[in-house]
Amino acid sequence: DVQMTQSPTTLSASVGDRVTLTCRASQSIYGWLAWYQQRPGKAPKLLIYQASTLESGVPSRFIGSGSGTEFTLTISSLQPDDFATYYCQQYNDYSPYTFGQGTRLEMK
Amino acid sequence: QVQLQESGPGLVKPSETLSLICDVSGVSLRSDDYFWSWVRQPPGEGLEWIGYVFYSGGTYYNPSLKSRASISLDPSKNRFTLMLTSVTAADTAVYYCARGIPETISLTGYFDPWGPGTLVTVSS
Repeated sequence: DVQMTQSPTTLSASVGDRVTLTCRASQSIYGWLAWYQQRPGKAPKLLIYQASTLESGVPSRFIGSGSGTEFTLTISSLQPDDFATYYCQQYNDYSPYTFGQGTRLEMK
Repeated sequence: QVQLQESGPGLVKPSETLSLICDVSGVSLRSDDYFWSWVRQPPGEGLEWIGYVFYSGGTYYNPSLKSRASISLDPSKNRFTLMLTSVTAADTAVYYCARGIPETISLTGYFDPWGPGTLVTVSS
């Protein structure tokens, strides 16, 4: 299995801050990585695929980058709606598809 | 607009079979342009992918489930189903269905959209 490790587990920040979340893969997944946002009690929502391609309708303050084994999701200026949990998912290998354990972004 | 909706029993007894349906609207299941997956999330925990099915019949399941999972398509009703046998308390989770969008040459992909999820509790 490709192990996905996210850091930090929890991040405290304020509205307007620039924050960066990290996702590392246990082996190269090239650029085959997606990021999801999950608000409490809701389903995950796709933000970014292919490491850096913004899903239609997602605000441009969400910026994905990286390749190989190290990836980042940057939110350039936090908005109140952005406080949620973020998951990365690799899709280089379907046996099995794997997610990171999540980064919870909380209000400072 | 593509929408997915899960349905099924909210309570299942240990050792029995969990069975869930995902109704799909806005897109036909009758093509391999997409694949169809189930993902689960135990309370307070992260996401675990369960498996997928293609219209052409291809399926694959997470080996962690030790052959207990089965996913099938019903194109006539535009829905797909999950069956998970011999459940235990460890199978208690919110179960999501999701459309998979193949992007790589090996048809692996990401998930969009997701259904709202349904909580299944395993308890006697």
